[in-house]
Amino acid sequence: NAGVMQNPRHLVRRRGQEARLRCSPMKGHSHVYWYRQLPEEGLKFMVYLQKENIIDESGMPKERFSAEFPKEGPSILRIQQVVRGDSAAYFCASSSGLIYEQYFGPGTRLTVT
Amino acid sequence: AQKITQTQPGMFVQEKEAVTLDCTYDTSDQSYGLFWYKQPSSGEMIFLIYQGSYDEQNATEGRYSLNFQKARKSANLVISASQLGDSAMYFCAMREGSDYGQNFVFGPGTRLSVLP
Repeated sequence: NAGVMQNPRHLVRRRGQEARLRCSPMKGHSHVYWYRQLPEEGLKFMVYLQKENIIDESGMPKERFSAEFPKEGPSILRIQQVVRGDSAAYFCASSSGLIYEQYFGPGTRLTVT
Repeated sequence: AQKITQTQPGMFVQEKEAVTLDCTYDTSDQSYGLFWYKQPSSGEMIFLIYQGSYDEQNATEGRYSLNFQKARKSANLVISASQLGDSAMYFCAMREGSDYGQNFVFGPGTRLSVLP
């Protein structure tokens, strides 16, 4: 029973490049959440998606960031024209509508040089 | 305003002793859930324990228990018989009741160090 999978685990991008982070939820889970964790800080909610729908994107920066969860395939968090301040750990979590806890993936550590 | 407050940035505990990590929360919802997660140095987030706002009993999971005081809006995590492997960051989180699901708000965390 595979858990939440994220890839890549580590991603290095130069300023101005695009970063694409992928998340495959646990089997049977249709709710996906993305969080960002800056060094020495807690997790900050970014976006909540169900299949083909963005339910809540109140934590997403207005520019350069987008997320999708297509009918087939993983959820993608896309950061365009990355800047040094985007360097962080990005966690994906999934849940079933029937289960309260969110299960987290291992995270993707993005470093912008 | 902070929704989740963890006032202890760092805590030390002797191996085999019990330790309490504090968490207070702020919500006007009647239905909500409280969670604790552990983040070891490897970085993954590990779910530990859950308490629902309507649960009358304090949640327990092995060596973890949640001291839930609803009137005081506190949900402290108690770890009994600490082990060296318990050294990690601990995050308290809250899910507020909503038909639209489960936006979690996390506290800033407490770094626990277990001393041999």
